[in-house]
Amino acid sequence: AQRVTQPEKLLSVFKGAPVELKCNYSYSGSPELFWYVQYSRQRLQLLLRHISRESIKGFTADLNKGETSFHLKKPFAQEEDSAMYYCALSGVTGGGNKLTFGTGTQLKVEL
Amino acid sequence: DSGVTQTPKHLITATGQRVTLRCSPRSGDLSVYWYQQSLDQGLQFLIQYYNGEERAKGNILERFSAQQFPDLHSELNLSSLELGDSALYFCASSTGALSSYTQYFGPGTRLTVL
Repeated sequence: AQRVTQPEKLLSVFKGAPVELKCNYSYSGSPELFWYVQYSRQRLQLLLRHISRESIKGFTADLNKGETSFHLKKPFAQEEDSAMYYCALSGVTGGGNKLTFGTGTQLKVEL
Repeated sequence: DSGVTQTPKHLITATGQRVTLRCSPRSGDLSVYWYQQSLDQGLQFLIQYYNGEERAKGNILERFSAQQFPDLHSELNLSSLELGDSALYFCASSTGALSSYTQYFGPGTRLTVL
């Protein structure tokens, strides 16, 4: 079974402070991991996926297979980063695909 | 804008009724997915279609059904609606069927059951 855990429901930081949103996963195969962002319960937007190793809007995430983690980081938080962040694991089920989401972390950036 | 479109944006209906939600994938995408987002259950995968065929099934109730048509648009049918079915229903699409393909989400349909 695949599972994603985001231990923090709410993370509050000041503008300019570093941000780390935690994500741990459980999956027996080789995981495909993603971070999605949702502003005000609108559409989910892809932020990044581990395989591309890109940095989007200053965010990065490194897959640590030993710790089964995929934490999202940003060195300096901006006000526009306030949103809901979901970590997701993509798994193959008999030739198909499904995303298993964590419960999400609400990031609030205060001035 | 991801290129995935969903209609309607909002839907208000009564318990016991039946509704149909529609999704058009991004141009060139063959796979369509449906997800339900509710306050108590979070984001839950419902079902995946690839080029008209069902490929993966999640926590989809028997009262719910879906299909993907030859033009690749998909419909999610919800029947005998209950108060607990009130949620945001998202459609996503991807080029291929497997986990290596990124899913792009539509804006969602907000369903309210009174």
